[in-house]
Amino acid sequence: NAGVMQNPRHLVRRRGQEARLRCSPMKGHSHVYWYRQLPEEGLKFMVYLQKENIIDESGMPKERFSAEFPKEGPSILRIQQVVRGDSAAYFCASSPLPPGELFFGEGSRLTVL
Amino acid sequence: DQQVKQNSPSLSVQEGRISILNCDYTNSMFDYFLWYKKYPAEGPTFLISISSIKDKNEDGRFTVFLNKSAKHLSLHIVPSQPGDSAVYFCAASGRNNDMRFGAGTRLTVKP
Repeated sequence: NAGVMQNPRHLVRRRGQEARLRCSPMKGHSHVYWYRQLPEEGLKFMVYLQKENIIDESGMPKERFSAEFPKEGPSILRIQQVVRGDSAAYFCASSPLPPGELFFGEGSRLTVL
Repeated sequence: DQQVKQNSPSLSVQEGRISILNCDYTNSMFDYFLWYKKYPAEGPTFLISISSIKDKNEDGRFTVFLNKSAKHLSLHIVPSQPGDSAVYFCAASGRNNDMRFGAGTRLTVKP
């Protein structure tokens, strides 16, 4: 059973470009969480999704950021018009049925030049 | 809004001794608590959890204690080993199933 798969592992963008981060949850998991980790900081909650639904997006900036988890395919975290402050590691985690442990991917490291 | 707090950014202990990592939370609706361990350039991995109906859960060298009245939990590692050196995150979840993490504590176990 493959773990949570995130891609790309590393992404470099120039200011103003778009970044798309993908997350394929573990098989059978219908709950997906996205977290951001800034250098030397903890994991900051961004958004919690179930299939086709956003359950809690209270941690996600209102502008430029969006997330989806379609019926088919991976969850996508989209950042439009990236700025240098968006440079961080973005972690995705999945869960079969909360509450319970989250299974994390290895993260996608975004660098904005 | 930091609902889960780990006030010690780092901790250093000698191999064989006990490591105690602390965590405080502010949201009384949290009812499930977890500890994760993270190595550099990797995703966090689950270590141990406890639900609010318990005050202690033990798994090998790892024990988590929960004090609901104080909104405090702690992770004890005994005996500590050099391979335990990592960043430890405390996490909490409530009825809406979202999960909040603390800022992490970097544990260094010296041989």
